[in-house]
Amino acid sequence: QVQLQESGPGLVKPSETLSLTCTVSGVSISSYYWSWIRQPAGKGLEWIGRIYVNGNTNYNTSLKSRVTLSLDTSKNQFSLNLRSVTAADTAVYYCARDVGLEGTTFFDSWGQGTLVTVSS
Amino acid sequence: QSVLTQPPSVSAAPGQTVTISCSGSNSNIGNNFVSWYQQVPGTAPQLLIYDNNKRPSGIPDRFSGSKSGTSAALGITGLQTGDEADYYCGTWDSRLSAGVFGGGTKLTVL
Repeated sequence: QVQLQESGPGLVKPSETLSLTCTVSGVSISSYYWSWIRQPAGKGLEWIGRIYVNGNTNYNTSLKSRVTLSLDTSKNQFSLNLRSVTAADTAVYYCARDVGLEGTTFFDSWGQGTLVTVSS
Repeated sequence: QSVLTQPPSVSAAPGQTVTISCSGSNSNIGNNFVSWYQQVPGTAPQLLIYDNNKRPSGIPDRFSGSKSGTSAALGITGLQTGDEADYYCGTWDSRLSAGVFGGGTKLTVL
């Protein structure tokens, strides 16, 4: 059974970097794409980006200049760094397994989500 | 503004059938597979449909998906109060090289 768990600070100051880690159990991250998705309170889902074990990444064009995804196969974890955050980045952040192949995408396993608030 | 367009809300009575639409373009729905997710408030989304019309193990056959051209639809038959949730469509956008979602549809079972 695949399980994902997000971890990281729940409060980040404006202009600083939001950093989250997703720990995966039940499957090796050396297969599949691994994604981050966020959801502001009361709003819809926003795809942030995804990473594959070979380093291949895809990013939301509106966030691309501020986002970096990485993964650590030794820890079976992948991470999100979002730089220069503002209040608009306040959201619940989900990590998810992307079962899609190149050019396709769908998410069959999700973390429970973690709320990150950007505030001074 | 979401790349994929869904109605903000739909409603129907228990036992009835409802359809939720998802409209896109050739760069996304028109040339890629569509997936659907159910999100009960306060919980993570759950995959309902993938590859346009396939159901993961454990998803009842009351849920079905279809696609025609640049639009897709989720059908739910025999509505139950437990089906009240937000529903999202998603796909890949080949022009953006990115995943995209619809804005979500809130289903109310009256």
